[in-house]
Amino acid sequence: EVQLVESGGGLVQPGRSLRLSCAASGFNFDDYAMHWVRQAPGKGLEWVSLITWNSDKIAYADSVKGRFTISRDNAKNSLYVQMNSLKTEDTALYYCAKGGGPYDYYGIDVWGQGTTVTVSS
Amino acid sequence: QSALTQPASVSGSPGQSITISCTGTSSDVGRYSFVSWYQQYPDKAPKVMIYDVSARPSGVSDRFSGSKSGNTASLTISSLQAEDEADYYCSSYSTSGTWVFGGGTKLTVL
Repeated sequence: EVQLVESGGGLVQPGRSLRLSCAASGFNFDDYAMHWVRQAPGKGLEWVSLITWNSDKIAYADSVKGRFTISRDNAKNSLYVQMNSLKTEDTALYYCAKGGGPYDYYGIDVWGQGTTVTVSS
Repeated sequence: QSALTQPASVSGSPGQSITISCTGTSSDVGRYSFVSWYQQYPDKAPKVMIYDVSARPSGVSDRFSGSKSGNTASLTISSLQAEDEADYYCSSYSTSGTWVFGGGTKLTVL
């Protein structure tokens, strides 16, 4: 069974940093692109970032570009996002999600349960 | 990276068919066949219902179908059932190498 388990969320002050992790299991992690998607309380889904199977293609939403850094460790079956200079508008449930194939144009086919990030003073 | 446009809400009676539209631009929906649809129940993670415009993952009911014309993709649910009541989101790959979601549509089964 494919499983994605996020961790690292919490309460953080504006301007500070946080690193989210996603542990993947049940599939060949290094064969698939991975995404981060977030959902603010009571709002819709917002795509955040993607990384291809071998990390050669990385992309970000304009809202996080320059502040967030996505990475993966295929040896550890893990996905990460380093979030710097956090803003109150980054408050959301952050989902780790698996792409349907190795490249950036494969849509998301499996979602984790999410980890909550709250940015507040 | 503007969000795709979906109606905020749609409704239908059990047994009826409904269609949810998803309008983008020539840089996303109109350019690629990489459009997906997701179903989300309250406080649950989304679930893929349609990918690549019209492909259905195994396990998804054939009452769900997808299509695209120009810059607009559509999700049709036939023989509406109470369990279909949920939020639905479209997403598309774009020329910038990123993905974009629609604002979401709340489906109410009357």
